Amino acid sequence: AQTVTQSQPEMSVQEAETVTLSCTYDTSENNYYLFWYKQPPSRQMILVIRQEAYKQQNATENRFSVNFQKAAKSFSLKISDSQLGDTAMYFCAFMKLKEGNKLVFGAGTILRVKS
Amino acid sequence: GAGVSQTPSNKVTEKGKYVELRCDPISGHTALYWYRQSLGQGPEFLIYFQGTGAADDSGLPNDRFFAVRPEGSVSTLKIQRTERGDSAVYLCASSSQGSEQYFGPGTRLTVT
Repeated sequence: AQTVTQSQPEMSVQEAETVTLSCTYDTSENNYYLFWYKQPPSRQMILVIRQEAYKQQNATENRFSVNFQKAAKSFSLKISDSQLGDTAMYFCAFMKLKEGNKLVFGAGTILRVKS
Repeated sequence: GAGVSQTPSNKVTEKGKYVELRCDPISGHTALYWYRQSLGQGPEFLIYFQGTGAADDSGLPNDRFFAVRPEGSVSTLKIQRTERGDSAVYLCASSSQGSEQYFGPGTRLTVT
C-alpha cells in the first residue's frame, strides 16, 4: 500500500517570504500522480498543483512550484511571495493510476502566514 | 458552472441513530469518491463509484457504512447505528475519468 508522509505538522512564514513544505511517499509503482491540496478553515479542498511522475520537469503554478525527486520519493512544495490568504492546511496526496484514481493523503501541514 | 455540493453542511445525531449524507457532483462527472477526514488528519478513502456501480469500496470501515449512486449522479452515504468514532468530516469529490478530483465543502458529522 502507498503511504504519504508529511513530517512538518506546522510551519510559519513571514508575508512576502518563501516557505517549503516537505512530503515523502512510498510506492513500488512507476506511473502515478502527486498533488498538493490546500484546505482553508472553510473545509473546501482546493488543488494547488499536480505532478505526473513520468515528467522530469517540476510543475509550476504562479507562486507555487514543486521539487519532485522521483528516486528519493520526495515531493516538496515551495510557496514564493507568501500571502496572508495562503494560511491553510496543506496536504500532499498520491494517486496510483491503476486503482480507480483514489487519492492517498498525508497528515497535512498547517501553514501560518504572518504579517 | 456549479461545483460539488454536499448536504447537510453539519449533522448532529445521537449514538445509535441512522444518518444519510448527500453528494451532488459536477454535472457530467462519471467518477465520484467519498473520503472521511478525522480531526487533525488527512482525508481517508472510503468508496469510489464509476457511473452507478461501486468500483472500489475497500475503504468502508465496516458493514454499518453503505453508499449508493442509483442514477450515476447524486450519491448518498448511509451510516447505520452511528458510533461516536464516526464523528468526522465526510468529503465527496467528483472527476471526469483520469482527471483531477473536485471536492465539495464536506459534511461535518457529530455523534453525541
